Amino acid sequence: QIQLVQSGGEVKKPGASVKVSCKTSGFTLATSGITWVRQAPGQGLEWMGWISAYNGGTYYAQELQGRVTMTTDTSTNTAYMELRSLRSDDTAVYYCARYFIDYGGSSRFDPWGQGTLVTVSS
Amino acid sequence: DIQLTQSPSSLSASVGDRITITCRASQSISTYLNWYQQKPGTAPNLLIYAASSLQSGVPSRFSGSGSGTDFTLTISSLQPEDFATYYCQQSYSAPFTFGPGTKVYIK
Repeated sequence: QIQLVQSGGEVKKPGASVKVSCKTSGFTLATSGITWVRQAPGQGLEWMGWISAYNGGTYYAQELQGRVTMTTDTSTNTAYMELRSLRSDDTAVYYCARYFIDYGGSSRFDPWGQGTLVTVSS
Repeated sequence: DIQLTQSPSSLSASVGDRITITCRASQSISTYLNWYQQKPGTAPNLLIYAASSLQSGVPSRFSGSGSGTDFTLTISSLQPEDFATYYCQQSYSAPFTFGPGTKVYIK
């Protein structure tokens, strides 16, 4: 059974950094990818980027470039997302999900972690 | 970047109704289109991938169709557990954008 279990909620002050973890099981992280999606309160889903655990390659959404870093630790099957210089509009639930590509080249996000609420407030 | 629009933004329906949600892409994305269901306070759940393939474990009342720029998600007979928000997402090219969502309410 594939599972992704995320770290607990965080409260941060503006300008601080946050690092969210995503512990995976039931599949080989080293040959997979992980994507991160966030959802501000009452809003829709915003794709943040993805990382290939195979070669460490990343793609970040343009609006987060320079503030976000995604990493993986294949020895512990854990993915991480660090967001720096936090602002109030970074307050959101942050989700990790397995980025799966099939032999036909079609990709999707499945399954998802339970989400981590990050609150940015002075 | 590829933009996705969804219509309607919300709809009210009764148990047993057949409903259709539309997703339109700003450029052709072949069949690289996925659908997710999200219930309040929970993570999204994959329903349909590659426009029309049903994810394992998803009830057969859910179906998807379309290619190019126009796609639909259909629920053939709405059940109480289907009241949720539905998002389309394109996997044609990064950034992998989501549609704004369609909220399905109980009538």
